[in-house]
Amino acid sequence: QSALTQPASVSGSPGQSITISCTGTNSDIGAYNWVSWYQQLPGKAPELMIYDVSNRPSGVSNRFSGSKSGNTASLTISGLQPEDEADYYCSSYTSSSTLFGGGTKLTVL
Amino acid sequence: QVQLVESGGGVVQSGRSLRLSCAASRFTFSNYGMHWVRQAPGKGLEWVAVIWYDGSEQYYVDSVKGRFTVSRDNSRNMLYLQMNSLRPDDTAVYYCVRDRGGRHYFDYWGQGTVVTVSS
Repeated sequence: QSALTQPASVSGSPGQSITISCTGTNSDIGAYNWVSWYQQLPGKAPELMIYDVSNRPSGVSNRFSGSKSGNTASLTISGLQPEDEADYYCSSYTSSSTLFGGGTKLTVL
Repeated sequence: QVQLVESGGGVVQSGRSLRLSCAASRFTFSNYGMHWVRQAPGKGLEWVAVIWYDGSEQYYVDSVKGRFTVSRDNSRNMLYLQMNSLRPDDTAVYYCVRDRGGRHYFDYWGQGTVVTVSS
């Protein structure tokens, strides 16, 4: 199965909002509300930021939010901060397996 | 705080085998599905395998089916990944991850163990 599709890079200035899209098919994102998002800082393991499309784990800033429409999920980061600069990955359940997106590098200008 | 500690990585020749281990602590291991996720150098994340909380079911990404086997020992809080017939494109950091709620999202990750397959 093919990976989910994410933009390779996005950028924004401190204080701005950005949105990262994640496009799948009606067999993964479109079929289940089991989309999650991960932040990976350089040299570190990924960290769960959003699960079940729009839920935040305890301790994750409310500047991070998720949504889904059809076969596309989105991660929005509001009030960008320098420490948000990282790689972001979406993932979705599909048929007893998991698909990841290719990753998006967020640059805070 | 949940801990997942991988071990067993290293440098191995193409065609050989390697067994990864993951020691879990500070949570009830037998209540959770567990996964392996890998990341090739400079590349994105790739899901590799899952094993249900009781070990009754396992699933794999197509590229490792027939070569990799995931298993667990709930009495020892251990997760394993037996990797046979290794190929250079298996070179990656391998992460042991916990499945929150059986919905294939990962709330805790190990630090990763590096596997390098030389040709």
